[in-house]
Amino acid sequence: GEDVEQSLFLSVREGDSSVINCTYTDSSSTYLYWYKQEPGAGLQLLTYIFSNMDMKQDQRLTVLLNKKDKHLSLRIADTQTGDSAIYFCAERWGRDDKIIFGKGTRLHILP
Amino acid sequence: DTAVSQTPKYLVTQMGNDKSIKCEQNLGHDTMYWYKQDSKKFLKIMFSYNNKELIINETVPNRFSPKSPDKAHLNLHINSLELGDSAVYFCASSQGAGGGKNIQYFGAGTRLSVL
Repeated sequence: GEDVEQSLFLSVREGDSSVINCTYTDSSSTYLYWYKQEPGAGLQLLTYIFSNMDMKQDQRLTVLLNKKDKHLSLRIADTQTGDSAIYFCAERWGRDDKIIFGKGTRLHILP
Repeated sequence: DTAVSQTPKYLVTQMGNDKSIKCEQNLGHDTMYWYKQDSKKFLKIMFSYNNKELIINETVPNRFSPKSPDKAHLNLHINSLELGDSAVYFCASSQGAGGGKNIQYFGAGTRLSVL
């Protein structure tokens, strides 16, 4: 069935690295995404990775993909207070081409 | 210039009423979506339209009816509102449903409160 799993909460000290993990179900997923939602706002695409890649880096963001285990992670280096948000993992569901979102991980930054 | 705009931002109404939420995108995208986000922030797709045609219709009550007058607009009409309809509704659009990255761009959401 369609299910994207991620832990609901993560607390990290300012300046440390944050790692948000996700598992997905569809082995035929072509694209996997990370979206960020700030309070009172819509979702904003942070980054995405194509399924034939195992890593993608974009400034402070590093995405790792383990296709064998269907595991995706997002690492945010040097976490700042502005990174406080909900992070959604999403997969492109191969069968009918829709995007399935995880339940979101709320990232809390400790001073 | 807002890429995906939805109105109203807030909607407070009584149970049993009928209401509409409007969405417009100026990105030239072919595909538009409606999502529902509940109080726990869980996001679930409701509908998807590609070039005015319905392509995804999840198990949503018949009281919800999407309408796409043209590919830049996707409105959501809800009949006989119930308490459980209270949520934030997000509109989104993408370049196309088939092939490519299918990156979705979201509106700011409409917070619906049914009393």
